[in-house]
Amino acid sequence: KQEVTQIPAALSVPEGENLVLNCSFTDSAIYNLQWFRQDPGKGLTSLLLIQSSQREQTSGRLNASLDKSSGRSTLYIAASQPGDSATYLCAVRPGTASKLTFGTGTRLQVTL
Amino acid sequence: DAGVTQSPTHLIKTRGQHVTLRCSPISGHKSVSWYQQVLGQGPQFIFQYYEKEERGRGNFPDRFSARQFPNYSSELNVNALLLGDSALYLCASSFWQGAGQDTQYFGPGTRLTVL
Repeated sequence: KQEVTQIPAALSVPEGENLVLNCSFTDSAIYNLQWFRQDPGKGLTSLLLIQSSQREQTSGRLNASLDKSSGRSTLYIAASQPGDSATYLCAVRPGTASKLTFGTGTRLQVTL
Repeated sequence: DAGVTQSPTHLIKTRGQHVTLRCSPISGHKSVSWYQQVLGQGPQFIFQYYEKEERGRGNFPDRFSARQFPNYSSELNVNALLLGDSALYLCASSFWQGAGQDTQYFGPGTRLTVL
């Protein structure tokens, strides 16, 4: 059974700092990995999707890496801003079915 | 273009009642999935429908059922509500099943409270 873990559970950083969020999964036989952002009480916004054959994806100040063999992914956020405050979730897709297995998220607070 | 829409936004029910949640996917998307998110946890997969057929089911009791209509919209039904069914119910749509670049797009969710 696939299990996804995210560390740390919560993180508080001052504005402008670069930070890394971690995601690990137990079964390396994944189809892809997706990072999402969730604001309190809201739905999920897709940030980046990495195919199993890819090593990283970039979008603006965000960079996600994937090491499938070791079961790890990281989300790097450069020059953090207060607007980045949210919960960040990673999810793995085990195969061609659309089912996603999510971690419990990292709650990020960026302070002024 | 409109994103994934869900209705209602919030609702309150009592134990034993029945509830129906609705989802309209992004135009052109044929796959709809349902997730349950309990406070403080990541979403848990409930169902996936593609081309009006069930293509996946998570570890949820038979009180949970769903269907997809010819226009690809979907309903999630929950019977005999329990307090533990209180959660944010999320709908996600994607273009098609089985594609590696098949990003899933989530709606704003329906907040269900069972008293």
